[in-house]
Amino acid sequence: DAKTTQPPSMDCAEGRAANLPCNHSTISGNEYVYWYRQIHSQGPQYIIHGLKNNETNEMASLIITEDRKSSTLILPHATLRDTAVYYCIVRVASGTGTASKLTFGTGTRLQVTL
Amino acid sequence: DVKVTQSSRYLVKRTGEKVFLECVQDMDHENMFWYRQDPGLGLRLIYFSYDVKMKEKGDIPEGYSVSREKKERFSLILESASTNQTSMYLCASRTKGQGNQPQHFGDGTRLSIL
Repeated sequence: DAKTTQPPSMDCAEGRAANLPCNHSTISGNEYVYWYRQIHSQGPQYIIHGLKNNETNEMASLIITEDRKSSTLILPHATLRDTAVYYCIVRVASGTGTASKLTFGTGTRLQVTL
Repeated sequence: DVKVTQSSRYLVKRTGEKVFLECVQDMDHENMFWYRQDPGLGLRLIYFSYDVKMKEKGDIPEGYSVSREKKERFSLILESASTNQTSMYLCASRTKGQGNQPQHFGDGTRLSIL
């Protein structure tokens, strides 16, 4: 799986958009970008994933640069409940068995404030 | 929405006890996973099951076993609990469909072995 780099922490005012960057300069053509988050003392929550096109769902938008070397997760209107650690993961989709396991880096700790 | 339910959020057991952690998913997923999560060590895969009665060892299977008698239920067993098994245990499930499908996690069981 490609290595990812995320800032250790970010702040965002409630109601504003939170833009969380992720660098993955060694990504290969068959690797997807996944985002998860983990609120304190809870299990990780899947947010969104994509290959090369931008993606949007009810939680967030994922913007992937044309060269695929970086991406941005956008929470359009952050709330206090979005305070969590956000993990960007890059991995091959075709992994089977234990190769499909997830590993999290250190992520970005997003603090949403009033 | 995918629902992965772990039987207990918090559990306290004694050294030497046999401990059962239960996980149930409601989406007819073929693949199920047990991880443990420890500060500084991230997520580590204990066991993986790719279908009923099928299992594979993950990275740290020692001291654990699993059971998958029904598709929706995946149990983790600590044969003789030890203090170094104090951890957050996370269950996840995923459809085997296209390889890019995400894993969905339960809320976790925080297990303390005294």
